[in-house]
Amino acid sequence: DADVTQTPRNRITKTGKRIMLECSQTKGHDRMYWYRQDPGLGLRLIYYSFDVKDINKGEISDGYSVSRQAQAKFSLSLESAIPNQTALYFCATSERGGGGELFFGEGSRLTVL
Amino acid sequence: AQSVTQLDSHVSVSEGTPVLLRCNYSSSYSPSLFWYVQHPNKGLQLLLKYTSAATLVKGINGFEAEFKKSETSFHLTKPSAHMSDAAEYFCVVSDITGGFKTIFGAGTRLFVKA
Repeated sequence: DADVTQTPRNRITKTGKRIMLECSQTKGHDRMYWYRQDPGLGLRLIYYSFDVKDINKGEISDGYSVSRQAQAKFSLSLESAIPNQTALYFCATSERGGGGELFFGEGSRLTVL
Repeated sequence: AQSVTQLDSHVSVSEGTPVLLRCNYSSSYSPSLFWYVQHPNKGLQLLLKYTSAATLVKGINGFEAEFKKSETSFHLTKPSAHMSDAAEYFCVVSDITGGFKTIFGAGTRLFVKA
C-alpha cells in the first residue's frame, strides 16, 4: 500500500459544487501539505499543517479550505468549485527535522466543468 | 525572498547520451535544494538533495547534481540516458525562516529517443 494515499484519483464535477479531496498517510509524519500542479507552473502550495492544531495558508489558498482530522488525515475542500480550479492536486508529508524532503501521494485530478 | 528557474521547459536526448537539466536559484539564506522526478500519472519522487554538505550530490538512478554557489546553480546531470528516464523533473529550493517555504520550478520535461 502507498504511504500517502489520495482519494479520489479522478473527479469530474460542475461549477458550484462542493468537492472534498482526502489524504491519509502511514508515514507517521507530523507535517502535511496540499499542492496544486498546473502545466508550466510547477507546484504551488495551497495549505500546510505542522500538526493537528496548526493550519497555515500557502501561496494560493483563496477558494480552498482544509481540515486536519488527525495526524494521519488532511482533507482539502472546494466549497464552490469553479473551472479555473481544474488541476492536478497533490498531498505531501514531511518529517520534522527531516531536511525538507517531501513525500507525495499519486495525485487527484479534478476537472470542473 | 527565494525563487527557482528551470532554464528549459523541454529537453530531448537520445538514449545513451548525457542528460543536462539546468536550474538556477535565488535565496536570501543558505538554501536546501532538491530535484524531484514525476513519471506520468505518478506523484513526485525525490532524486537527490543538497543540504550544505558535499557540493556534488549523488542521487538515485545514476543522477547527480552540483551546487555552485558562485553561479547560484544546481544543474542535474546523468552520463547516459535511459528510456525510463523520460519524465518531468522539478528543481526545488527550500528555506526555513520562521515558517516553511518551498518553491518549485516550473519543471523540465525530458524526452528520450531510441
